[in-house]
Amino acid sequence: EVQLLESGGGLVQPGGSLRLSCAASGFTFSSYAISWVRQAPGKGLEWVSSISASGKNTSYTDSVKGRFTVFRDKTKNTVYLQMNSLRAEDTAFYYCAKYSSGWYLENWFDSWGQGTLVTVSS
Amino acid sequence: EIVLTQSPVFLSLSPGERATLLCRASQSVPRKYFAWYQQKPGQAPRLLIYGASVRATGIPDRFSGSGSGTDFSLTISRLEPEDFTVYYCQQYATSPLTFGGGTKVEIK
Repeated sequence: EVQLLESGGGLVQPGGSLRLSCAASGFTFSSYAISWVRQAPGKGLEWVSSISASGKNTSYTDSVKGRFTVFRDKTKNTVYLQMNSLRAEDTAFYYCAKYSSGWYLENWFDSWGQGTLVTVSS
Repeated sequence: EIVLTQSPVFLSLSPGERATLLCRASQSVPRKYFAWYQQKPGQAPRLLIYGASVRATGIPDRFSGSGSGTDFSLTISRLEPEDFTVYYCQQYATSPLTFGGGTKVEIK
């Protein structure tokens, strides 16, 4: 059974940093691309970032470019989202989602984690 | 960026009725790059349909997807109590990936 378990969320002040983790199990980790999708409380879904199966290719939505970095560690079957210079508008539940293949374009999300809440507030 | 507009925002129906949810794209999306997700309160989204009309594993056949170009739809043939929740469309043809704003199916 595919499992994705996010962690690392919490309360942080504006301008601060957090690192989210997405621990994967139940599938061949190195064969699938992974994405981060966020959802502000009571709002819709917003794609944030993706990383290919190999980890060599990444993509970001414009609002987080230069502030967020996605990377993966195949020895730990974990994908990370390093978030710097956080803003109030980054407040959201952050979900990791598994793609249906190793590439993050032209493929859908076939599994999702339960999410972790990031709150940016002073 | 491809903008997806879902309608209606709220859909009030009774159990057993047929639901039709619409999603319009700001530019043409190849069918094979279109999906629908269901999200229940306090839960993560769940894949229902990919490739515009292919049901994901374990999805009941009362759910069906159709459409092409800029207009797509999700139909629930007979609403079950567990179907009253929020649905999102998504395009994965081009970056940035985008989602519609959601349709909430509520009990009339």
